[in-house]
Amino acid sequence: DAGVTQSPTHLIKTRGQHVTLRCSPISGHKSVSWYQQVLGQGPQFIFQYYEKEERGRGNFPDRFSARQFPNYSSELNVNALLLGDSALYLCASSKRMTGTDTQYFGPGTRLTVL
Amino acid sequence: QQQVKQSPQSLIVQKGGISIINCAYENTAFDYFPWYQQFPGKGPALLIAIRPDVSEKKEGRFTISFNKSAKQFSLHIMDSQPGDSATYFCAASIRDDKIIFGKGTRLHILP
Repeated sequence: DAGVTQSPTHLIKTRGQHVTLRCSPISGHKSVSWYQQVLGQGPQFIFQYYEKEERGRGNFPDRFSARQFPNYSSELNVNALLLGDSALYLCASSKRMTGTDTQYFGPGTRLTVL
Repeated sequence: QQQVKQSPQSLIVQKGGISIINCAYENTAFDYFPWYQQFPGKGPALLIAIRPDVSEKKEGRFTISFNKSAKQFSLHIMDSQPGDSATYFCAASIRDDKIIFGKGTRLHILP
């Protein structure tokens, strides 16, 4: 079975632009979570979606939004990009919504904001 | 308090030695403590996890020790190998809630 896939692999944007990142979960997984990993830090939780509904939101501004589609894939959108948004964006999928369910991470999308 | 504090920031161990990474937490509501391993260019991968009703869990060369009263837990890697060189993250979560990660430990095993 394929693991969690994310696209694109790398992305370069300029300040003020908008970006859309995509994630396909492992087949059969209904929960998708998004994390931001700044260089040298641990991943920070942004959103969790389960059965197409937002089930959790981290401490991120409203410029960050996400959605989950009927096939359980997900998009993360970031508006009005700032230099500080440069990071590795990780998507993780799990079968259920619980925090104790094993989350499988994708390879991430490396976003650079110039 | 949601923080998970991890130490050391970096660690160098001789091949065959024991690597030890420590973590501490404040929120006594945490009930799941996973460790993740991350190689450059890859996402984190679950290595081993423990719940607070157990004081130790061993899987192969990897052992988690858990001290509930001290609110501390640690990862021991026995017979460390060069292939273990990676960044390790401790984490904690509450059922149905997000996972809180530590800042990570860069482990380098000398051949």
